[in-house]
Amino acid sequence: QLQLLESGPGLVKPSETLSLTCTVSGVSISSSAYYWGWIRQPPGKGLEWIGSISYGGSTYYNPSLKSRVTISVDTSKNQFSLNLSSVTAADTAVYYCARHRVQMVYGTPGYFDYWGQGTLVTVSS
Amino acid sequence: DIQMTQSPSTLSASVGDRVTITCRASQSISSWLAWYQQKPGKAPKVLIYKASSLESGVPSRFSGSGSGTEFTLTISSLQPDDFATYYCQQYNTHSYGFGQGTKLEIK
Repeated sequence: QLQLLESGPGLVKPSETLSLTCTVSGVSISSSAYYWGWIRQPPGKGLEWIGSISYGGSTYYNPSLKSRVTISVDTSKNQFSLNLSSVTAADTAVYYCARHRVQMVYGTPGYFDYWGQGTLVTVSS
Repeated sequence: DIQMTQSPSTLSASVGDRVTITCRASQSISSWLAWYQQKPGKAPKVLIYKASSLESGVPSRFSGSGSGTEFTLTISSLQPDDFATYYCQQYNTHSYGFGQGTKLEIK
């Protein structure tokens, strides 16, 4: 069965780079039927999409975060990763990885059908 | 950028009630809308996609409707397990924004 598991440091210092990895098990990440995305949720607040990537490396990023975000994929490890640079306290959140189902009509990402459990990342010195 | 606005922000209801949550888009998104349920400390779970299609395994008491800029999620008869926060998400453009959420509370 499909599982997604986020991993990475739970504490990052201001101005540094937040790095997380999502390990996918139960299905190959190399499918044209899916993109793979990152979403975050500050404590007590709503959901914010960060960005998504295909197995071939095509990316879509949230325009409000684009200048600081890099998402990459490693098909050999069935993983994809998030780097968010120059973090501040405002980047403190639970970070989720999720499978982003492709809209077959357009071949572009649609809705998120499977999610990881999430990992809390705190930005603090 | 398309803005998604949900109403109400909080909704108090009782077991057995029929409830409706509304999501409005700042411009037309055709039927490219999903609804999610999130319980405290858990990841969101998709309920509805393409505005009205029920995700596999989701109880039939959940239904979605709408197109263009106005959408609704309806729960026909609230069950104890349904008290949670609900989010809409658009996928008409490559900005995949979510609504701010509607918290469904026990009256």
